Amino acid sequence: GQQVMQIPQYQHVQEGEDFTTYCNSSTTLSNIQWYKQRPGGHPVFLIQLVKSGEVKKQKRLTFQFGEAKKNSSLHITATQTTDVGTYFCAAYAYSGGGADGLTFGKGTHLIIQP
Amino acid sequence: NAGVTQTPKFRVLKTGQSMTLLCAQDMNHEYMYWYRQDPGMGLRLIHYSVGEGTTAKGEVPDGYNVSRLKKQNFLLGLESAAPSQTSVYFCASSPGWSTEAFFGQGTRLTVV
Repeated sequence: GQQVMQIPQYQHVQEGEDFTTYCNSSTTLSNIQWYKQRPGGHPVFLIQLVKSGEVKKQKRLTFQFGEAKKNSSLHITATQTTDVGTYFCAAYAYSGGGADGLTFGKGTHLIIQP
Repeated sequence: NAGVTQTPKFRVLKTGQSMTLLCAQDMNHEYMYWYRQDPGMGLRLIHYSVGEGTTAKGEVPDGYNVSRLKKQNFLLGLESAAPSQTSVYFCASSPGWSTEAFFGQGTRLTVV
C-alpha cells in the first residue's frame, strides 16, 4: 500500500527558532493532510492540500505541496512552547480495488527548549 | 458536541483474553478507522470501513476483527490478546474519502 515517509523523527529547537518537517511519497498523492498531536492527546486536523504547488498559511504555520504532488512540508516560524507535539502528514490511498484508508507518516516530534 | 467517543479509555487484559473496543460517532460520517499508536511507529491503520456493513483491512490487521453493523458504531475486537497488542488505540471518522478525519480520545490497552 501507499506509504508516506516523514523526516526528521525528532527535532529539538530553542524557543523562537524555526521548525520544518518533511513528508515524501514514492507515488503521486491526490492530496495530503497534516495533523498535530499534543502529548497525551489525540491527533487534530490542521489542513489539507490538494493542488500541485499549493501553499497555505495558518498564522506562523506554512504548508506546501510539491509540484509533483509527491512531497509536502510544514514550516513553523518562531516556535512557541504551545507548538510542542507530534506533527503527522497523512494521505488517502486509492488502489485498484477502490478507495483505501487514511495512512499516516511516523510523525515528527517537536521538542522546544525555553 | 460528542464527536467521536471511544469506550473504554483504559483496559488491562491478560494474555489470551478477549475484548471489544467501541467507537461511536454522532456526525453521520461514512468512513471510520481504527489505528494503533506505538512509540516510534506513528499511527498504523488496523481496519477501516467506508460505510455501514463494510469493512476492509489496513496495514496491520492480524489479530483483530471489526464490525460496522450500524453507521455510527465501529467495533474492534481482540479474540485472544497478546502482549504485542499493548498499545494506544485510536478510532477516527470522516465524512468521506479525502476529507478531514476526527479522532476519539484513545484507549490505552495493556496486555500482561
